Amino acid sequence: AQSVTQLDSQVPVFEEAPVELRCNYSSSVSVYLFWYVQYPNQGLQLLLKYLSGSTLVKGINGFEAEFNKSQTSFHLRKPSVHISDTAEYFCAVRYSSASKIIFGSGTRLSIRP
Amino acid sequence: GAGVSQTPSNKVTEKGKYVELRCDPISGHTALYWYRQSLGQGPEFLIYFQGTGAADDSGLPNDRFFAVRPEGSVSTLKIQRTERGDSAVYLCASSSGGAGQDTQYFGPGTRLTVL
Repeated sequence: AQSVTQLDSQVPVFEEAPVELRCNYSSSVSVYLFWYVQYPNQGLQLLLKYLSGSTLVKGINGFEAEFNKSQTSFHLRKPSVHISDTAEYFCAVRYSSASKIIFGSGTRLSIRP
Repeated sequence: GAGVSQTPSNKVTEKGKYVELRCDPISGHTALYWYRQSLGQGPEFLIYFQGTGAADDSGLPNDRFFAVRPEGSVSTLKIQRTERGDSAVYLCASSSGGAGQDTQYFGPGTRLTVL
């Protein structure tokens, strides 16, 4: 079955510390991978996406993610977080033969001053 | 330019009633998607339109749910005989095409509460 697993439902970190949000997906021949962010009381916003090519993808707000085909992972990282990064982060996959995006259950990132 | 808009932003209804949720996609986008996000979960796919036709409705949970896009722009999600379990945020997204690499842009959602 096609699925996305976000291993951590909540990640608390201190401001200016690095963070990694983990994501694994069920294996397939061809996938497109996404990270979306949902700030409080706002809609989903695309952070970054992997379509093909370089496995390291850079997105907005200093975030980056690395596609690892052998481990079927697409972990999101930021070297130094800010209070404004407080939000829910969703990993998502779209199989090339399908129209729909499959989302993980989300990781709530909370930043402590 | 304007993004995806959804109305109403909030809808409270009673069990058994009929509701309609509206989505205005980004101008020129041919693909339109509906998702449902329950509390504490990620969005779940409901239906995908390419133009006026429903190209994939495999996510609709049962026949109480129906969606239309008669002119290939605005879409309406219709729920008959609402149940408490239908309470969720209903999200609409649009993209320029239906290909896998096309970015889906999401609206702010409609929060539906069934009492």
